[in-house]
Amino acid sequence: AQSVTQPDIHITVSEGASLELRCNYSYGATPYLFWYVQSPGQGLQLLLKYFSGDTLVQGIKGFEAEFKRSQSSFNLRKPSVHWSDAAEYFCAANTNAGKSTFGDGTTLTVKP
Amino acid sequence: ETGVTQSPTHLIKTRGQQVTLRCSSQSGHNTVSWYQQALGQGPQFIFQYYREEENGRGNFPPRFSGLQFPNYSSELNVNALELDDSALYLCASSFSRGPGELFFGEGSRLTVL
Repeated sequence: AQSVTQPDIHITVSEGASLELRCNYSYGATPYLFWYVQSPGQGLQLLLKYFSGDTLVQGIKGFEAEFKRSQSSFNLRKPSVHWSDAAEYFCAANTNAGKSTFGDGTTLTVKP
Repeated sequence: ETGVTQSPTHLIKTRGQQVTLRCSSQSGHNTVSWYQQALGQGPQFIFQYYREEENGRGNFPPRFSGLQFPNYSSELNVNALELDDSALYLCASSFSRGPGELFFGEGSRLTVL
């Protein structure tokens, strides 16, 4: 069965520190991969996506992610976290846009 | 460009009632998908509509049904509401049925008492 796993339920980092959120996927073939961010009570906003090609992809708000086929991973990183980055982050995968599989999310808390 | 809009934003129902949620897709998108997001979980795929026909369904019972209209807007209907149906219901549109990005609305928060 297709699945997306985010091993970390909750991460706390200090403002200005670096961040890495983990994501692993299990799919029959390499899917398209995404990271979304959700602020409380809001819908999901796309941060970045990987379809093919360069395995390091850049997104909005200074985020980047690296696709590693050998590890079935697509980890999200940011060199320096800002207080406004506090939110819930979802990794997702699909081979059909509408039928995406999401992880259960990682809640990011930013300490002043 | 108009984004995905959903209505109502919040609603409260009692067990056994029926609810209809509405979604207007982003301009130029012909595919709409619905997701259920329970508290503390990621969105779960309910179903997808492409050009007014259901095009795939997740693990949800038949009391979850939908429609897509010629202008690509969509409805999600849930009959015989249960307490576990309490969740944020997200509508997302996309350019096509193929792999790609989803554009989400802000959701409809349903509480079943």
